[in-house]
Amino acid sequence: SYALTQPPSVSVSPGQTASITCSGDKLGFQYVCWYQQKPGQSPVLVIYQDTKRPSGIPERLSGSNSGFTATLTISGAQAMDEADYYCQAWDSSTWVFGGGTKLTVL
Amino acid sequence: EVQLLESGGGLVQPGGSLTLSCAVSGFTFNNYAMNWVRQAPGKGLEWVSGVSKSGAYTHYADSVRGRFTISRDNSKNTLSLQMNSLRAEDTAVYFCAKGPEYCSTTSCYPSYFDYWGQGTLVTVSS
Repeated sequence: SYALTQPPSVSVSPGQTASITCSGDKLGFQYVCWYQQKPGQSPVLVIYQDTKRPSGIPERLSGSNSGFTATLTISGAQAMDEADYYCQAWDSSTWVFGGGTKLTVL
Repeated sequence: EVQLLESGGGLVQPGGSLTLSCAVSGFTFNNYAMNWVRQAPGKGLEWVSGVSKSGAYTHYADSVRGRFTISRDNSKNTLSLQMNSLRAEDTAVYFCAKGPEYCSTTSCYPSYFDYWGQGTLVTVSS
């Protein structure tokens, strides 16, 4: 079955840039979206169709997708960005999530 | 305001059945595909099932195909998930989520998930 691979954890200092990757052997040919989930809360869509931000999502969150890797970039990280992040892509009539990345801002 | 409210979770024995519901408001229900996504305790997200706007097309994860059935009632703004032959590994918080729909020449698929409910906990245990 199709798999999306994310690093389990990423750390970033406040104000610096964090990159969270998502790898899959078909990713360059698919749209990828990203969700943010804080403890005890439901996931929130932060990026869809590789690069688009829903209304209300700050510009410091951005997405890209090329080759076999999609990337969520958080520029000028803030404490409020600390959360789990999941990538998602569509394959063979099923949605697949990455395993999730815990972003720590410290 | 978009709202999705799941209900129907609880404790069930292995091999048992349970039906989850998701009541929605704040948007035109029959304009969006709907999905169920679950999260086992301390684990990541797993897509379970999706249904097209009309209800004509349904899709399932391999892990639940043949045991779970998704359906929607557009007259009542309600999404359902009938779960049969439940296993311990089905224990999770189940979220409903809405999103746009994409249609090819042969089927319609849920697109990204722009709003999620708060979830309902299903525990499968003896």
